[in-house]
Formats: sequence, structure tokens, C-alpha cells
Amino acid sequence: GAVVSQHPSRVICKSGTSVKIECRSLDFQATTMFWYRQFPKQSLMLMATSNEGSKATYEQGVEKDKFLINHASLTLSTLTVTSAHPEDSSFYICSAANRGRGEKLFFGSGTQLSVL
Amino acid sequence: EDQVTQSPEALRLQEGESSSLNCSYTVSGLRGLFWYRQDPGKGPEFLFTLYSAGEEKEKERLKATLTKKESFLHITAPKPEDSATYLCAVQDDDYKLSFGAGTTVTVRA
Repeated sequence: GAVVSQHPSRVICKSGTSVKIECRSLDFQATTMFWYRQFPKQSLMLMATSNEGSKATYEQGVEKDKFLINHASLTLSTLTVTSAHPEDSSFYICSAANRGRGEKLFFGSGTQLSVL
Repeated sequence: EDQVTQSPEALRLQEGESSSLNCSYTVSGLRGLFWYRQDPGKGPEFLFTLYSAGEEKEKERLKATLTKKESFLHITAPKPEDSATYLCAVQDDDYKLSFGAGTTVTVRA
């Protein structure tokens, strides 16, 4: 099956710093990538949708200036949490889709962000 | 707005004790209903996609079924390695997935 690589798997940072999370599709071209966050024992909440070469579409309530998403190529999307605060601590997961391969989404392994 | 409700929240089973998980949904323009398995600290792992009412799919001890309003994930004779959180999601025409909160299954040996 298709593989989506997400890096880093875990990051601890100080409050006020920025953190970048990478999501790569390893064996297919991801026309669309999605970013989710998940709090403990809660479901995945969609943050934003990004299509290669265009601006990301953010869900209601998600600050686009705080969560910067770049989808510069068909195999890479990045999420940058700017000026992170403790309330941004969460599990962030990316997923990738290629419409030519059907509707199935492939998920990364997630990034646990802890902001001190 | 798409809505997905899973029940129960948690399920504790004895090894070999079969059971079912429920996923109720409302969506405009269902492209597909997905079941995923998620282990702690990891991303969801794809299990099944169901597209139309009456469809069924099986994989090892798991069987997923779909009606117009809900889906069931049946676990037959579960083993401890089936312990995980099972997530249900509906996909709309924009490929956007809306997830349920999941059912955490614990299978005791």
C-alpha cells in the first residue's frame, strides 16, 4: 500500500518558538493533503486542506496565520506552528490523497507536539 | 454539516467474545464510509471503504456493513491484538473526511 511519511514523530519545544512538521507521500503524487489534530481520547479534527500549488483552505476556527501550510510539490506538505503555546500541544496527523487512485486517504504516523 | 457518531465509546471483550461497533452518520453526498484502526500514538490505519447500502467487506476477524444511516464493524472471535481504537469516517465530494470519536476496544486474554 501507499506510504505517507511524517516527520518528526515527536517534538518538544519552548513556548514562543515555531515548529515545522513535514508530510511526504513516498510512492504516489498527492494532489491533496489534509492536516488534522487530535486531542487525547478525541477524534481527528480537520484543520486544513491543501492542494498542490495553491493556498490551503482552513476550517472554521483554525488560525491560518498560526498554522502555516505549504504544499509546494506533489510529494511534500508542511505544517508550521508559529509562536507555539502550551494549548497548541496536540497530536498532528497528515493525510494524502491522489484522486487518480480513488478516494482512499493514506495517513502519516502523526507528530506529538508538546509545548512547554 | 457532516456528522458521525460512534458507539459505544469503549468496549471490553474477552478473547473470543464477538461483538459489534456502531457508526451512525448524516452526510450530504456520501462518497464513501471508511473504517480505520488507530493504535496509541500512531496515525490511523486503513481497514475498509464502503460505498453503498448493502455492501459488506471482510478482513480476517473484521467485517464491515453499511446501511443508509449507519455502519457496523463486527469483530468475530477477537484476539488481544485486535485491541485498538476503531474510527469511522464519512467522505464528501471534496474528499473531506469527518471522523467519529472512535470506539476503544480492549480484548483480554
